[in-house]
Amino acid sequence: QKEVEQNSGPLSVPEGAIASLNCTYSDRGSQSFFWYRQYSGKSPELIMFIYSNGDKEDGRFTAQLNKASQYVSLLIRDSQPSDSATYLCAVTNYGGSQGNLIFGKGTKLSVKP
Amino acid sequence: EPEVTQTPSHQVTQMGQEVILRCVPISNHLYFYWYRQILGQKVEFLVSFYNNEISEKSEIFDDQFSVERPDGSNFTLKIRSTKLEDSAMYFCASPAVTDTQYFGPGTRLTVL
Repeated sequence: QKEVEQNSGPLSVPEGAIASLNCTYSDRGSQSFFWYRQYSGKSPELIMFIYSNGDKEDGRFTAQLNKASQYVSLLIRDSQPSDSATYLCAVTNYGGSQGNLIFGKGTKLSVKP
Repeated sequence: EPEVTQTPSHQVTQMGQEVILRCVPISNHLYFYWYRQILGQKVEFLVSFYNNEISEKSEIFDDQFSVERPDGSNFTLKIRSTKLEDSAMYFCASPAVTDTQYFGPGTRLTVL
């Protein structure tokens, strides 16, 4: 059974702080890694994807991947109250957009003004 | 961001009834996916559709489910005889040029 594990939270950070979200996955064959944001009652919204070991930065977001440790993380710098949402980690065994996504349960982030 | 549309936004049905959920994916892509999310639980893969055929399906996608492409642009997910436990948000997803899956707004299915 392929599993993606996330701390359910809630993770509470003050406005302007760095939020750190973590995810581990069980299948070493996983090739593509995604972070989605989901507001209550809404659909998952893609934030970032990462395929290679190391860091990938996009604005206030940095994704980090360590395939040896089967670990992927998301850092949110200068957190804003609008970042308050559930963050979903997803992996797939295929490159790019092909292949079904396996999701974690998500980490609920609360950014306090 | 590319747009995937789904209809209806909310469907209420009686147990045992058939429902059809519709999706218009991002155009010109051959891959297409259905996922579901039971309230408070994780997003779960149902089925992928490639070039007008089912490519992969999960154990959730049993004989009560079917997926079709009735015309050139729309995809449908049919549940033949709904059960209470089918109540969930159903999302379709479509790849985009950035090689990522974009999700539609979802259909909330309520089975009474």
